[in-house]
Amino acid sequence: GAGVSQSPRYKVAKRGQDVALRCDPISGHVSLFWYQQALGQGPEFLTYFQNEAQLDKSGLPSDRFFAERPEGSVSTLKIQRTQQEDSAVYLCASSLAWGGEYTNQPQHFGDGTRLSIL
Amino acid sequence: KNQVEQSPQSLIILEGKNCTLQCNYTVSPFSNLRWYKQDTGRGPVSLTIMTFSENTKSNGRYTATLDADTKQSSLHITASQLSDSASYICVVSWRPGGYNKLIFGAGTRLAVHP
Repeated sequence: GAGVSQSPRYKVAKRGQDVALRCDPISGHVSLFWYQQALGQGPEFLTYFQNEAQLDKSGLPSDRFFAERPEGSVSTLKIQRTQQEDSAVYLCASSLAWGGEYTNQPQHFGDGTRLSIL
Repeated sequence: KNQVEQSPQSLIILEGKNCTLQCNYTVSPFSNLRWYKQDTGRGPVSLTIMTFSENTKSNGRYTATLDADTKQSSLHITASQLSDSASYICVVSWRPGGYNKLIFGAGTRLAVHP
């Protein structure tokens, strides 16, 4: 597709359940990012992939959060044993490249998955 | 602590009027500053990207300015339209190591009324 696609758009889960959120980046984009956006706040960095390599996972809030991008395209963010504080919009972004001479590349965002934990 | 602060938190203007949104940051080292527009229920969309050497950049009715000395930026919207109703997020690119990380402000929520 032309843009970053995320699914599902909405996810409701009971506390303690595991969830998996999917991101399809723009074709050919090397760099992929996950962000968490609380209501009324700006996005906060979770993790960064360059192709299939996860170069930075410093923003993941706990070991219940896990992200992968096994073939360097589609990425999945998994949250185990969900808690109410995990309720947020999870945004995925991709970029043609990142860092070095590509410092000024834009990040293209998907529309996010709104996760609600009951 | 690296921070990006935006003001006002929210703003209501009438269609056709101009407005200016403010952004102050304390991020260092600084690579570039971006403004994004985020419609309700959608992902952010890039409006402008400025390096520290650029003072101003325009994208249609949107004009961003940057003063790297005072660490301030503004986004000016000219002749506002109803479709400009959205959150406008100031984002600073920070380079703590081998690559850049983005630090987002909380946004200014703009409502344009007819």
